[in-house]
Amino acid sequence: EVQLVESGGGLVQPGGSLRLSCTASGYTFGPYWMHWVRQVPGKGLMWVSHINGDGRTIVYADSVKGRFTISRDNAKSTLYLQMNSLRTEDTAVYYCARDRGYPDSFDIWGQGTMVTVSS
Amino acid sequence: DIVLTQSPGTLSLSPGERATLSCRASQSVTSAYLAWYQQKPGQAPRLLIYGASSRATGIPDRFSGSGSGTDFTLTISRLEPEDFAVYYCQHYDNSPSWTFGQGTKVEIK
Repeated sequence: EVQLVESGGGLVQPGGSLRLSCTASGYTFGPYWMHWVRQVPGKGLMWVSHINGDGRTIVYADSVKGRFTISRDNAKSTLYLQMNSLRTEDTAVYYCARDRGYPDSFDIWGQGTMVTVSS
Repeated sequence: DIVLTQSPGTLSLSPGERATLSCRASQSVTSAYLAWYQQKPGQAPRLLIYGASSRATGIPDRFSGSGSGTDFTLTISRLEPEDFAVYYCQHYDNSPSWTFGQGTKVEIK
C-alpha cells in the first residue's frame, strides 16, 4: 500500500523551531516530487513548499521563505520540513503530499501532523 | 499570482441530487494543471480530478470535471451519502507554484 506518514508535530513557543518528518512506503520514493501543504483548523489548504526528486529544486511559499527548509533523504524514503522562527500564524495541520509526477496535482497525502505555535 | 475563487461557499443538497461546483481563475490557466480534491472532516484531502477532467484512480464515474480558460466545474451526478464533504480546486503554474481555492462545502439539506 502506498503510504505517507508524518511525525514531529507538537506545541512550540513563538520563535521556536520544529522539524517535521514524512516517511514514504509502498513505492519508490526517489523519483517523485514532494510537497508540504498546511491547513489551519477549519480553514482552507495552503501549499507550503516543494522539492524535486534529487533535492536540487526547491520552492517555498512567500509566507515561509527564509524560515522553513525542505529536504529529503531518498535512502530513507523520508521528507523533512525544518521550521524555524515559528509564528502563531504557522499553527496548522501540516500534510506531506506526493506530486502526481507530471507535475500538476497531489495524488497521495499523509494523515497530517498538528503544529501549534503558542506561548 | 493566480487566485482561484470557488462558488458557492456552501451547497445544500439531498442525496440523489446533482451537485455543480464552480472554480474561477483570476486569469486564464492551462486546463492540464487544474485539479479537484475532496476532504472529509478529520481526513486528508483526496485527489478526485486532474487535468480538469481526468478522474484519479478509484474515483467513481459520478464525479466529472470540465472547463477551460478561467471557468472550471466539478459535477457530482447523483450525490451519495459519502459525498458530503468540502471540495477544493487547485492549480499548478510553472513558476513553479501551487494554489488552492477556498473550498466549497457540500452539506446535506
